[in-house]
Amino acid sequence: KQEVTQIPAALSVPEGENLVLNCSFTDSAIYNLQWFRQDPGKGLTSLLLIQSSQREQTSGRLNASLDKSSGRSTLYIAASQPGDSATYLCAPNTNAGKSTFGDGTTLTVKP
Amino acid sequence: DGGITQSPKYLFRKEGQNVTLSCEQNLNHDAMYWYRQDPGQGLRLIYYSQIVNDFQKGDIAEGYSVSREKKESFPLTVTSAQKNPTAFYLCASSSGTSVYNEQFFGPGTRLTVL
Repeated sequence: KQEVTQIPAALSVPEGENLVLNCSFTDSAIYNLQWFRQDPGKGLTSLLLIQSSQREQTSGRLNASLDKSSGRSTLYIAASQPGDSATYLCAPNTNAGKSTFGDGTTLTVKP
Repeated sequence: DGGITQSPKYLFRKEGQNVTLSCEQNLNHDAMYWYRQDPGQGLRLIYYSQIVNDFQKGDIAEGYSVSREKKESFPLTVTSAQKNPTAFYLCASSSGTSVYNEQFFGPGTRLTVL
């Protein structure tokens, strides 16, 4: 059974810092891995989807990397802003339609 | 607007009652999913459906039931057999293909048992 761990559980940084969120998973036989953002009391917003054949994917200030063989993914956020404050979740997909979610990293960016 | 809608946003249930949560999508996606989220935790899969008239149990299906009679709709019923139903429920959909299986989520329904 796939298990997903996200470290750290919470992170507080001053505005402007670059930061890295970590995601590890136990079953490396994945099709892809998706990173999401969740604001309090809201649904999930898809940030990036990395296919199993890709090493990284970029969208604006966000860069996600994937090392499938070691069961790791990282989300890099450049020049953080207070609006980036949210919970970030990763979800590797090991079978068509079945994703397993980590508990998330709650990020606070202070002005 | 294309997207996923869930209703109601808030739902209160008395113990012993069944309640049904609505999920509709107009993205023409084949696959739909129901997740449960408890405070401070990630999402756990309740049920998923990859095609109309077919659905599969997820990791925590006990006390829940679903139907998939139309491609656009995937309602979830929380039955009285669910011992601790108070949670945030999220519906998602995807194209359903293995590789490009990007999931999109609705805004959620918060269920509280009184």
